[in-house]
Amino acid sequence: GDSVTQMEGPVTLSEEAFLTINCTYTATGYPSLFWYVQYPGEGLQLLLKATKADDKGSNKGFEATYRKETTSFHLEKGSVQVSDSAVYFCALSDRNQGGKLIFGQGTELSVKP
Amino acid sequence: GAVVSQHPSWVICKSGTSVKIECRSLDFQATTMFWYRQFPKQSLMLMATSNEGSKATYEQGVEKDKFLINHASLTLSTLTVTSAHPEDSSFYICSGLFLGGSSYNEQFFGPGTRLTVL
Repeated sequence: GDSVTQMEGPVTLSEEAFLTINCTYTATGYPSLFWYVQYPGEGLQLLLKATKADDKGSNKGFEATYRKETTSFHLEKGSVQVSDSAVYFCALSDRNQGGKLIFGQGTELSVKP
Repeated sequence: GAVVSQHPSWVICKSGTSVKIECRSLDFQATTMFWYRQFPKQSLMLMATSNEGSKATYEQGVEKDKFLINHASLTLSTLTVTSAHPEDSSFYICSGLFLGGSSYNEQFFGPGTRLTVL
């Protein structure tokens, strides 16, 4: 079945460092790909999305490109801030699966001043 | 984006009692809503898919008699944890499926409900 694999955390960075969180997927169809962010004690917020190959999603300085050839959707940010500390989830949704989301295991990011 | 609310945001109950959690889509109609459970420092586990006007579809291993789901309207789904026990303590998150047309459908998540069973 479809699945999502993320790099394990926690990831600890200094403020203004470059961030990469790896995400790869397996899917039989043509899924849409998402990054969600969860701040402590809160639900999930959509960070960015890409619905087809070569699409680049971006928001709040974060970017991810849908790479069909490498089945990847890595999250990047050029300069992280303390306020970016959260758990990040990569997910896919196959339209043929009724909109179900399949999540990666989550990567905790901690940014130190 | 579309907004989904949950109520209550946290609840503490005694073992053996039942707890109802509400999930509302505030500015869109959600024919389909999803219920997730999240343990500390873990990912979200899909419990069930709730479709308005029909029975919920439960994921394998989820007890349908323990986690009762009702989706009586296009903006409200409820999850009732019956005869709750300490092992049911968890963070429960719902989402509403927004139908985005031909390109994709998107889930919008509620803020979650933290259940503690004493």
